[in-house]
Amino acid sequence: TQLLEQSPQFLSIQEGENLTVYCNSSSVFSSLQWYRQEPGEGPVLLVTVVTGGEVKKLKRLTFQFGDARKDSSLHITAAQPGDTGLYLCAGDREKLTFGTGTRLTIIP
Amino acid sequence: DAGVTQSPTHLIKTRGQQVTLRCSPISGHKSVSWYQQVLGQGPQFIFQYYEKEERGRGNFPDRFSARQFPNYSSELNVNALLLGDSALYLCASSWGSRGNYGYTFGSGTRLTVV
Repeated sequence: TQLLEQSPQFLSIQEGENLTVYCNSSSVFSSLQWYRQEPGEGPVLLVTVVTGGEVKKLKRLTFQFGDARKDSSLHITAAQPGDTGLYLCAGDREKLTFGTGTRLTIIP
Repeated sequence: DAGVTQSPTHLIKTRGQQVTLRCSPISGHKSVSWYQQVLGQGPQFIFQYYEKEERGRGNFPDRFSARQFPNYSSELNVNALLLGDSALYLCASSWGSRGNYGYTFGSGTRLTVV
C-alpha cells in the first residue's frame, strides 16, 4: 500500500519556467522530507519539515508542509538543467515511507 | 568525514543463492535503515536498527534478515534469492531512532539475480 502519492509522475519543462510537485497522503506524519536522487546514487536529503504549515526555502526551491501534516509541495522557481532528477517525498511516522516519485527533466 | 558506505557496489547472484550486503553509517550515527528500490519506484522500507536492536520491519518475507554490530555497522542478508529481488539496496543512517533531522543514504548496492 502506497501511503504517499506524488504528482505529476513525470514533468518535462523548459529552462527558466516554474513548477510545483505535490505529495499527498491520508496519513499524518511527524515530519516530511524531500530528497533528490540521481541515477545510480542514493537519495540526497533536501529538506525536512516538521511543523504543520511550515515553509522552508532553499535557494530557488520552496517547500511547504500542509497544516494537517498530511501533504507537502515543492516549488521550483526558474528551473535550471541542474535541477533534473528524481524528486522523492518521504513521510516519517514509525518508519520512513517514500512517495511514488516525480521524474523532472529541465530542457536547456 | 566519510558518508554512508555500502559494499559491494554491484553484485550478480543466481536464483536460490544467498547474499550479504554491508553498510557503515556516518560516524556518530546510531541508526541504520535498509531500503529496496526497484527500477522506477521509490525506496521501500525493509528494516531499521537503533542501538543494535530492531526498531522496525517492513513488509518483506522472512528470507530478509539484518543485524547491527556494536560499531553500528549493519548487514542485510537475503536467502533463497528470487528474480524479483533484483533491485538497488540502499542503506541510510541517522543520529537518532527518529528521522526528524533526515537520513543520509549511501550510494547503494545494485543486486542482479539471474
